[in-house]
Amino acid sequence: NAGVTQTPKFRVLKTGQSMTLLCAQDMNHEYMYWYRQDPGMGLRLIHYSVGEGTTAKGEVPDGYNVSRLKKQNFLLGLESAAPSQTSVYFCASTPNPTNTGELFFGEGSRLTVL
Amino acid sequence: GDSVTQMEGPVTLSEEAFLTINCTYTATGYPSLFWYVQYPGEGLQLLLKATKADDKGSNKGFEATYRKETTSFHLEKGSVQVSDSAVYFCALRDSGYSTLTFGKGTMLLVSP
Repeated sequence: NAGVTQTPKFRVLKTGQSMTLLCAQDMNHEYMYWYRQDPGMGLRLIHYSVGEGTTAKGEVPDGYNVSRLKKQNFLLGLESAAPSQTSVYFCASTPNPTNTGELFFGEGSRLTVL
Repeated sequence: GDSVTQMEGPVTLSEEAFLTINCTYTATGYPSLFWYVQYPGEGLQLLLKATKADDKGSNKGFEATYRKETTSFHLEKGSVQVSDSAVYFCALRDSGYSTLTFGKGTMLLVSP
């Protein structure tokens, strides 16, 4: 039972490069989220999706784009990476947040921008 | 907007000590409250939750009571173990919203 899988787990980029983080869930969840975790800042919501084909901005969306073309996948893109985007990124999913409220998290993707 | 405030860490305890991690919140509606735990190198996982005032969530010896009058949801455990060493996050989901707001996390270090 894979749950929420994030790829890649580690990546080093140079300033200005682009990349995409992939989140895949096999639980048929409707809602998916991308968070970033920084020391002293906790988890901050970047973007989220309430279903296939939908996306919405979170607390810190600038510099990121997302897509949810398939229900099981939620992609996070950085078009032109900046050192301020060095962070650990977590994807999460849930069937219905208004029901149990429980989010299921992936193991994280550590991104370093030089 | 909604916010969650947790005590800063790290909290360092000896095994079998009593644990309290304070959490207070502000919300515009009637939130559900959560504690998540993150073990080293892993993602977050739900520890316990409470959905209305005076509810007590409990799991693995941890407890937290939803106190509306003090807008608090403090995490407690009577006797911690080395294996409880982790980062603990308090979170809320306000009524009508599909996103969670997290606190900054509190690291707990338990020594033998």
